[in-house]
Amino acid sequence: DTGVSQNPRHKITKRGQNVTFRCDPISEHNRLYWYRQTLGQGPEFLTYFQNEAQLEKSRLLSDRFSAERPKGSFSTLEIQRTEQGDSAMYLCASSQGTEQFFGPGTRLTVL
Amino acid sequence: AQSVTQLDSQVPVFEEAPVELRCNYSSSVSVYLFWYVQYPNQGLQLLLKYLSGSTLVKGINGFEAEFNKSQTSFHLRKPSVHISDTAEYFCAVSEVTGRRALTFGSGTRLQVQP
Repeated sequence: DTGVSQNPRHKITKRGQNVTFRCDPISEHNRLYWYRQTLGQGPEFLTYFQNEAQLEKSRLLSDRFSAERPKGSFSTLEIQRTEQGDSAMYLCASSQGTEQFFGPGTRLTVL
Repeated sequence: AQSVTQLDSQVPVFEEAPVELRCNYSSSVSVYLFWYVQYPNQGLQLLLKYLSGSTLVKGINGFEAEFNKSQTSFHLRKPSVHISDTAEYFCAVSEVTGRRALTFGSGTRLQVQP
C-alpha cells in the first residue's frame, strides 16, 4: 500500500499524559499537513511542513503541541499534558501538487 | 483568509433520486475548490477538484460539481444516488499559492434511504 499511513489508529489516554502520533506520507510528497477534526465538524488546519521545515502553525496549536518531520520523511505530532478538549480525530495529509492525500487518522480519547 | 459554508448539515434522499449538496465560499485570493467524502472512521477521499478551465468538473462515483464564480458557489450533484453513497461530504478550498492548506466546511451528511 503506497498511501498515507497513521499510527496508532486509536489512542485512549488519561488527562495529563503525553501522547505521540506518527504519520508516514506518500514517499515522494514534499508537503505534509496535520489537521484536527472534532465530532460534527470539518477538519481544521494545525500545521504544515515543506520537506523537514515546519513553515506554519495554526493558533489552534497550543504550546502543548509539537510536531516534527525529521529528514523530510515521516512526521510525529506530540501532545503534552493532554486535556479532555484534545479528544478528536487527528488527520495527516501529504501532497506534491494541488491535491492532498489523507491518512485514516488517529482517534484520540482523553479520559 | 478563506471560509466555507455548507448550507445543509443533513440531506436525506431516497435511493436512485438526484441530489445536490450546496457549498459557498469566501476568499480574498484565488482558490482551488475540492469536494471530499468521508466514510465512518476513515480518512477523507477526494471526489473532485476545480483548478481552472471548464466550470463543470466530473469526479469519481458519478459525482459532478459546478463552479460559479459570481455566486462563489461550488455545488455537488449526482443524478442518481445509491445506498453506498451514504457518508459525510466536505467542501474545501485552498489558496492557489503559498501553504495550500485546506479550509473545510462543516460537512453535509448524505443519508440515502431505500
